[in-house]
Amino acid sequence: DIEVTQSPSTLSASVGDRVTITCRASQSINSWLAWYQQKPGQAPKLLIYEASRLQSGVPSRFSGSRSGTEFTLTITSLQPDDTATYYCKQYMIYATFGQGTKVEIK
Amino acid sequence: QVQLQESGPGLVKPSETLSLTCSVSNDSINDYYWSWIRQSAGKGLEWIGRIHSSGATHYIPSFKSRVTVSIDTSKNQFSLQLTSVTAADTAVYYCARGFRNGATILDFWGQGTLVTVSS
Repeated sequence: DIEVTQSPSTLSASVGDRVTITCRASQSINSWLAWYQQKPGQAPKLLIYEASRLQSGVPSRFSGSRSGTEFTLTITSLQPDDTATYYCKQYMIYATFGQGTKVEIK
Repeated sequence: QVQLQESGPGLVKPSETLSLTCSVSNDSINDYYWSWIRQSAGKGLEWIGRIHSSGATHYIPSFKSRVTVSIDTSKNQFSLQLTSVTAADTAVYYCARGFRNGATILDFWGQGTLVTVSS
């Protein structure tokens, strides 16, 4: 099974800060990784797929990158509406989600 | 834009079968992959499996012996059956649409339905 390990589990940042979340895969998944945002009481929302492709309608302050088996989601200027839990998900073999990163505003 | 809506019993007894249906509106179910995902406090988000409009299915190994996903293209619906449920199957169950190219990239989701397994 392919595991994906996310860090940190929680982070607190100020409005306007640059925020970075990391996801590490247990083996090579090429660029088959997506990022989702989930707000309380809602379904997850697709933000990024294929490691760095921005889903239509998602603000450009969200971006994704890959270095080997390490993947990064960056929010360049944190906004109050970005308060949520973020999940990475590999889809190289079946699909496996990370444990989630809860982002809060200071 | 496409909308998905899960329906089914919110309470299932242990050892019985959990059955859910996902109704798709504002688009055809044809040519896409359709997934079931669940979310519990204990195990987070888990992808269960998917079906193509052709009927081809893929299940994650840990569910394979207990799960069946089926599709009814005439009704624009697909369904999940999970047998021999236990309390560990208590979760919010989501249905979602996957990309046409076969990648399990889930771009539209239902709102989710809570299923509790309890006697």
